[in-house]
Amino acid sequence: AQTVTQSQPEMSVQEAETVTLSCTYDTSESDYYLFWYKQPPSRQMILVIRQEAYKQQNATENRFSVNFQKAAKSFSLKISDSQLGDAAMYFCAYRDSGNTPLVFGKGTRLSVIA
Amino acid sequence: DTGVSQDPRHKITKRGQNVTFRCDPISEHNRLYWYRQTLGQGPEFLTYFQNEAQLEKSRLLSDRFSAERPKGSFSTLEIQRTEQGDSAMYLCASSGGLAGGILTDTQYFGPGTRLTVL
Repeated sequence: AQTVTQSQPEMSVQEAETVTLSCTYDTSESDYYLFWYKQPPSRQMILVIRQEAYKQQNATENRFSVNFQKAAKSFSLKISDSQLGDAAMYFCAYRDSGNTPLVFGKGTRLSVIA
Repeated sequence: DTGVSQDPRHKITKRGQNVTFRCDPISEHNRLYWYRQTLGQGPEFLTYFQNEAQLEKSRLLSDRFSAERPKGSFSTLEIQRTEQGDSAMYLCASSGGLAGGILTDTQYFGPGTRLTVL
């Protein structure tokens, strides 16, 4: 079974600085998708960024970018120019290619210090 | 369409009672997922529908849990004879619509139903 590991339960970053959240996963599949979701306190989960495993180019969405290392099964999220609104739980998630359910890590709680 | 909605947002019940939750997916989405999230954990998959067909159930979905999606639109999740261990956030997600003319399989989540079993 696929597993997702987030080794940092909590992280903090100064406003306007850059922070990287780590994620590793285990799978025997060659085609799959990886996601980062953000869950603000008492608010719903929203998609931050997604990466298709067959694409070598790292995905980027404005201030958010990933470092996808397929051989190492690593998928880290970099947040640049951190803002107070970035404070949330961040979940790394994996999905097989066949529209199967998501497998989530335990999450990293990010605090942003003004 | 404003996204996935869930009702109720909060439910407090006594042990042994039955509860039912509703999820309304994004209207053009044909896939609907239920997840459970306990405190300090990531969401865990419960069950999944494509249109009205229930395609997969997790081992977490005991006999006391049942889910339906009768017309391929909204879905209900019922828990019978609730136990304190059922206390959790129940999340619904949908996927399978069009984004910019392209079929997307990204899952979009609702706000969840927080269940407290006393």
